[in-house]
Amino acid sequence: DAGITQSPRHKVTETGTPVTLRCHQTENHRYMYWYRQDPGHGLRLIHYSYGVKDTDKGEVSDGYSVSRSKTEDFLLTLESATSSQTSVYFCAISARGSTDTQYFGPGTRLTVL
Amino acid sequence: DAKTTQPTSMDCAEGRAANLPCNHSTISGNEYVYWYRQIHSQGPQYIIHGLKNNETNEMASLIITEDRKSSTLILPHATLRDTAVYYCIVRVRAGNMLTFGGGTRLMVKP
Repeated sequence: DAGITQSPRHKVTETGTPVTLRCHQTENHRYMYWYRQDPGHGLRLIHYSYGVKDTDKGEVSDGYSVSRSKTEDFLLTLESATSSQTSVYFCAISARGSTDTQYFGPGTRLTVL
Repeated sequence: DAKTTQPTSMDCAEGRAANLPCNHSTISGNEYVYWYRQIHSQGPQYIIHGLKNNETNEMASLIITEDRKSSTLILPHATLRDTAVYYCIVRVRAGNMLTFGGGTRLMVKP
């Protein structure tokens, strides 16, 4: 399995509070992604990074920001959490060298009350 | 990326081969077929991918028709641990995101 960890694995928070989710990889892969998964919507890309300090928006980026100061860490921040951001969040990585396959982390289940 | 169509659910007896079909009739010449699966409450797991030729790895085989409009994922000897939702995805290899459709819920039964 790809060396990807996510923290926390579970979090319950209240509307209006800031939340930061962390994705950590040990594969030295260049590309990292944040997805959310909701019933009836499948996986949807929030943001992705193609290098340190290089990020771009995905299809559902409103209300989210990201940062990548080191190759191994990709942070997803909800500046002011809302109930619509209750979801399971997955981080993924890819090398984009010999293969473009994306490998996923175990996920973070976030509940916003 | 081209859309895919998969059956909603399938059953398979333990120890038998599981054949999961996928239709991608609008696939373009530079689009790859990827298969992932997701076991309950876990992150999606990469299985296999291919462009034109059939592919095999330690997990599964991928059979792509000559016109590339459909493919079949084969799990040669299904086990109870293969119970999962299987997603067929068609994408340009250098694309930035994966688009997961509804997938096929495979139930492996004793």
